[in-house]
Amino acid sequence: DAKTTQPNSMESNEEEPVHLPCNHSTISGTDYIHWYRQLPSQGPEYVIHGLTSNVNNRMASLAIAEDRKSSTLILHRATLRDAAVYYCILLPNFGNEKLTFGTGTRLTIIP
Amino acid sequence: NAGVTQTPKFRVLKTGQSMTLLCAQDMNHEYMYWYRQDPGMGLRLIHYSVGEGTTAKGEVPDGYNVSRLKKQNFLLGLESAAPSQTSVYFCASRNPPGGKTTEAFFGQGTRLTVV
Repeated sequence: DAKTTQPNSMESNEEEPVHLPCNHSTISGTDYIHWYRQLPSQGPEYVIHGLTSNVNNRMASLAIAEDRKSSTLILHRATLRDAAVYYCILLPNFGNEKLTFGTGTRLTIIP
Repeated sequence: NAGVTQTPKFRVLKTGQSMTLLCAQDMNHEYMYWYRQDPGMGLRLIHYSVGEGTTAKGEVPDGYNVSRLKKQNFLLGLESAAPSQTSVYFCASRNPPGGKTTEAFFGQGTRLTVV
């Protein structure tokens, strides 16, 4: 299975943009890049996903490198409510029904 | 729309007791998952199911059993609870890959303490 690598922790100031990196150098052509986050004392929640093109939704943006070996989750204006653990995972478009998580990046927002 | 509902939310067990955790989803998802999360750690996959009547082992299946008799329900059983099974348990469901929506939806967790 293709693995992802994320920094253990990051800090950002409130109301500033946050760029959360993820490396996935062994990604295959059919792997979708998914991001989830887990707020304190809650279950994980879906944030965004993409295949090749950059994606935007109401929560965040996903920038995918041209070679797809890395991606960046962008929170355009961080709030205290964005403090969470962010997980980057790869999900193939077929086969491999497992859904496994790494250790993610713990994001701290500084007021 | 309730999404994924876990029952119970909290439970304290004595060592050796048994219990069943229930996960129910109302989104008609084929895939369902059970995870455990120890304090300060990531999610570890216990068992999963790709459809009614099917189950498979995840990363840490020992000490747990599961059943998927109905598509909407996924049960996690502890036959003889041990203190090492003290954890927060999360259930998730999603559609198979290749469809329109493949994101996973999670329940709010069951906090289990084994004394």
